[in-house]
Amino acid sequence: GQNIDQPTEMTATEGAIVQINCTYQTSGFNGLFWYQQHAGEAPTFLSYNVLDGLEEKGRFSSFLSRSKGYSYLLLKELQMKDSASYLCAVMDSNYQLIWGAGTKLIIKP
Amino acid sequence: IAGITQAPTSQILAAGRRMTLRCTQDMRHNAMYWYRQDLGLGLRLIHYSNTAGTTGKGEVPDGYSVSRANTDDFPLTLASAVPSQTSVYFCASSDQPGQITDTQYFGPGTRLTVL
Repeated sequence: GQNIDQPTEMTATEGAIVQINCTYQTSGFNGLFWYQQHAGEAPTFLSYNVLDGLEEKGRFSSFLSRSKGYSYLLLKELQMKDSASYLCAVMDSNYQLIWGAGTKLIIKP
Repeated sequence: IAGITQAPTSQILAAGRRMTLRCTQDMRHNAMYWYRQDLGLGLRLIHYSNTAGTTGKGEVPDGYSVSRANTDDFPLTLASAVPSQTSVYFCASSDQPGQITDTQYFGPGTRLTVL
């Protein structure tokens, strides 16, 4: 079967750094995506990894290890507006996205 | 403003009724998708269309149907709604289905309650 695991909820402090992990087992791999979803809103694209290593985009970075079936999203200099759910999704061999349940990130002052 | 619109925003529906959720995009994207999002579960693909005139089944297609008569519109129909179809429904689109660089963009969602 296909499976993507993320922690259900995490808490962090404003100004700090947080790492959200994602592990996956899917039928094929064509890339891993991270999306942000604020409560009551649509998911919005954050980042994409297809090769091993770190992709940096401002305060957000995403890492991929294909051999370990593992990715993380790193958020630096946390702001209150970063309070949201973060969704990990893998593009499988059919080029369809398989989604994790999401990690709810709570930022405290 | 370019993007995806969905209608209605929310709806309460009696079980057994027929309902069509509307989705329109103005980005001229080739592919469109319908997902449902339930608490504690990831987004699940209901149906998709890689290009106008074609559709395919996703992970949870039973009880739903779609059509893609043109590039912009992708309505989702529940022929006879049941309470288990209570969910938030998201429409999405992408420009390059079947490419590893393809990125999906989402509409604002429709919150559907079936009683």
